[in-house]
Amino acid sequence: QLQLQESGPGLVKPSETLSLTCTVSGGSIITTNIYYWAWVRQPPGKGLEWIGSVRYGGSSFYKPSLRGRVTISLDTSNNQVSLKVRSVTAADTAVYYCTREVESSSHSWGQGTLVTVSS
Amino acid sequence: QSALTQPPSASGSPGQSVTISCTGSSSDVGAYNYVSWYQQHPGKAPKLIIYEVSKWPAGVPDRFSGSKSGNTASLTVSGLQAEDEADYYCSSHAGSNNFAYVVFGGGTKLTVL
Repeated sequence: QLQLQESGPGLVKPSETLSLTCTVSGGSIITTNIYYWAWVRQPPGKGLEWIGSVRYGGSSFYKPSLRGRVTISLDTSNNQVSLKVRSVTAADTAVYYCTREVESSSHSWGQGTLVTVSS
Repeated sequence: QSALTQPPSASGSPGQSVTISCTGSSSDVGAYNYVSWYQQHPGKAPKLIIYEVSKWPAGVPDRFSGSKSGNTASLTVSGLQAEDEADYYCSSHAGSNNFAYVVFGGGTKLTVL
């Protein structure tokens, strides 16, 4: 059974780079080209926000307003998906979820990890 | 890239049916049959309950059903049960080609009276 586990610093200073890793078990991130690996975030008490997704051997896609500040990449050696958000502000404080997408639908989710942006 | 529009709240009594709407535009909901619905209980990760407008993932009861007309998608929960009380989010494929993305609705809090 596929499992996704997010990890990374819980506290990041303003203007720095937020870096998270999603470790995938129970399946390979390069198994098939129908799966996209995505990140979704949820500010405390607010709704879901799609950040972006990437497919092995394919293109990456990002929310238009985040394009240029966000990078999602695959580490095939460690079966991991990474997220980097540059120049963070308090507005980037959220629970960050790693998901596996098929046709823009997130079928599998990690448990999420809270990242707080504060000095 | 505006968020899809959902009512902030909905409610119903056990056994009743309730429908939650999700309104987008001709660039997202109206353009693609890639509308999904998610259920989220407090403190938990979202769970997919409907994908591609009206399909069920394995293990999701058919009390949950989805549909779409024009730029508006809908989720109907029939035979309401206490455990259906949760937040519900819709999402849709949007954009095109190299600038495709996913847009979420603001969420609807479903209360079982």
